[in-house]
Amino acid sequence: DTGVSQDPRHKITKRGQNVTFRCDPISEHNRLYWYRQTLGQGPEFLTYFQNEAQLEKSRLLSDRFSAERPKGSFSTLEIQRTEQGDSAMYLCASSEGQVPGNTIYFGEGSWLTVV
Amino acid sequence: AQTVTQSQPEMSVQEAETVTLSCTYDTSESNYYLFWYKQPPSRQMILVIRQEAYKQQNATENRFSVNFQKAAKSFSLKISDSQLGDTAMYFCAFMKRDTGTASKLTFGTGTRLQVTL
Repeated sequence: DTGVSQDPRHKITKRGQNVTFRCDPISEHNRLYWYRQTLGQGPEFLTYFQNEAQLEKSRLLSDRFSAERPKGSFSTLEIQRTEQGDSAMYLCASSEGQVPGNTIYFGEGSWLTVV
Repeated sequence: AQTVTQSQPEMSVQEAETVTLSCTYDTSESNYYLFWYKQPPSRQMILVIRQEAYKQQNATENRFSVNFQKAAKSFSLKISDSQLGDTAMYFCAFMKRDTGTASKLTFGTGTRLQVTL
């Protein structure tokens, strides 16, 4: 198992375009998270899946953002009509089981630059 | 809501020396977890150490140990025998212990640690 993988690692897009990021969690991890990290800040929680169900969304996740995990395996995060304020690193993470406090494993992140 | 504060934006330590990174947090929860994560320049976040709030004993992982003061809501990380590979951004994080909600982490703003020769 190679850990949480994210694609693409870097994306430069023009304002107004749509972008999609993909995350492949660690096999058999039923929990998947998306976080956003801007320069000089810690990651901020965006949304969370338990298997294919999206159970919680942060207020940071505006209507332009949508996340899916259709088969309870990989997940996609789409940003529509990108704005310069969307420039950040988008981190995916996964964990197993129902027990709180289980280790959350992070991917290397997808850098988004909106120009 | 929980908040996590790391008041040291940057720190430097010489190789083989000991350094302590500070973290304070604010919460009304009684059951929770605290974590230190390391984010090297390659950017993948790695768990360093975890503390369960109901355990009084401070967690240790090899050269890494914590000083958990629950009443003071303080959770510092001590790195002993610092190595060049410890150079990274270190984040303190909080998680509620609640099976009914997402196991989401609340992070501080981080401390950039530079280990020098």
